[in-house]
This record gives sequence, structure tokens and C-alpha cells, in this order.
Amino acid sequence: DGGITQSPKYLFRKEGQNVTLSCEQNLNHDAMYWYRQDPGQGLRLIYYSQIVNDFQKGDIAEGYSVSREKKESFPLTVTSAQKNPTAFYLCASSIPGPSPNGYTFGSGTRLTVV
Amino acid sequence: GQQVMQIPQYQHVQEGEDFTTYCNSSTTLSNIQWYKQRPGGHPVFLIQLVKSGEVKKQKRLTFQFGEAKKNSSLHITATQTTDVGTYFCAATGANNLFFGTGTRLTVIP
Repeated sequence: DGGITQSPKYLFRKEGQNVTLSCEQNLNHDAMYWYRQDPGQGLRLIYYSQIVNDFQKGDIAEGYSVSREKKESFPLTVTSAQKNPTAFYLCASSIPGPSPNGYTFGSGTRLTVV
Repeated sequence: GQQVMQIPQYQHVQEGEDFTTYCNSSTTLSNIQWYKQRPGGHPVFLIQLVKSGEVKKQKRLTFQFGEAKKNSSLHITATQTTDVGTYFCAATGANNLFFGTGTRLTVIP
């Protein structure tokens, strides 16, 4: 079955450490996205990529970095520069542009920084 | 980017009662999507509305897009406990989605 996989599901890190969240999809989607969700809040866009080797900053890109070396993979690094990294991180993929099938989301990674 | 406001933020209903959430924008939207996120889960795509005044139904769920394409609503008839979750609207931008703040629905058995 096609889908989008995020790992790990839960992640604990010490303050000041960089951490990389994995996102892999086998839906053959060109576009991939990273969103952050805080408790009781909506989704805020961190980075997105419409095509391999290209990505764009979203609304809250500061303190994060991404790469898109393969179509299937869009890892997110939460750097020590991110002031408040504890959150629920969601990866999504879609065909480019407004898709009638919407975005497909992974099951998310809950990051806790202590 | 696009900004969409959703109301109410929370809604508690008795099982069997109806539920409606509203999504409003100050600008005209090209189209709008709706998602459902179960507690502890991830958003799942429900539907996309494109045309002015469009109405779509999925069983007990009715989705509407306003005539001016600045607002949308999701109505659930006779709620069930399986309807529990947060419902998000999302406005489509050139290259991504802008999500509303969501309405968290609690259904009391």
C-alpha cells in the first residue's frame, strides 16, 4: 500500500542538540511539506518542496533545515537555534498545486526537548 | 499567505445532535479543503470545494462553499462518537495549504 512514513513516532532530545526527523513516501508525489502543530493549535508550515533538489521556506522556517535529494524523502532537521522545538511535527505529500485528493499526512513525530 | 479563521474553537454536543463549523477568509479563496484529525492522530483529507456556492455531501457530512468564495462550512447531522476530533479547513495557496485553527468536536454519549 502507498503511504507516507514518519519516524520515529516519539523523540526526546536534550536542549542544544540538533535532531533529524525522517519522512518517506512511496506515493510518487512530487510535492512534500513539513508542518508543526502545537497543542490545541492549527498547522503551521515550516518548509515545502515542489521538486527534487528544490525547497522553499514556509511561515516558521527559522531554526529548521531540510533537504530533498530524492523524490521519496524529505528529512527535517530541528537545530539548536529553534527556540521552542517541543511540538508535533507532521510531514505531508501531494501532487503539485491544488490537488482534488488533498494532502496525505504521515502519522507524525512528537518531539520533546528537555 | 492566506489566512482563514475557524469558529467555534471548541464544541461539545450530545450524541445525536447536529454540529457545524465555519471557516471565514477576508479574501476570495480559489478553493478550500477540509480535514479531520482524530485525537492523537494525523489530519485526514475529507473533501475539496472549488465552485462558488458548491455543496457536497458525504453521508452525514455536508460541506458548503459560499457564493463569494470567502467562507465555507461543515455540517454533521446526528453526531456519533466516531465523529470526535478536530476539523480543519485549509485554503489553497499557489504552492501549499494554509490551515485554519480548527474546531475540536467532543461528542457526549
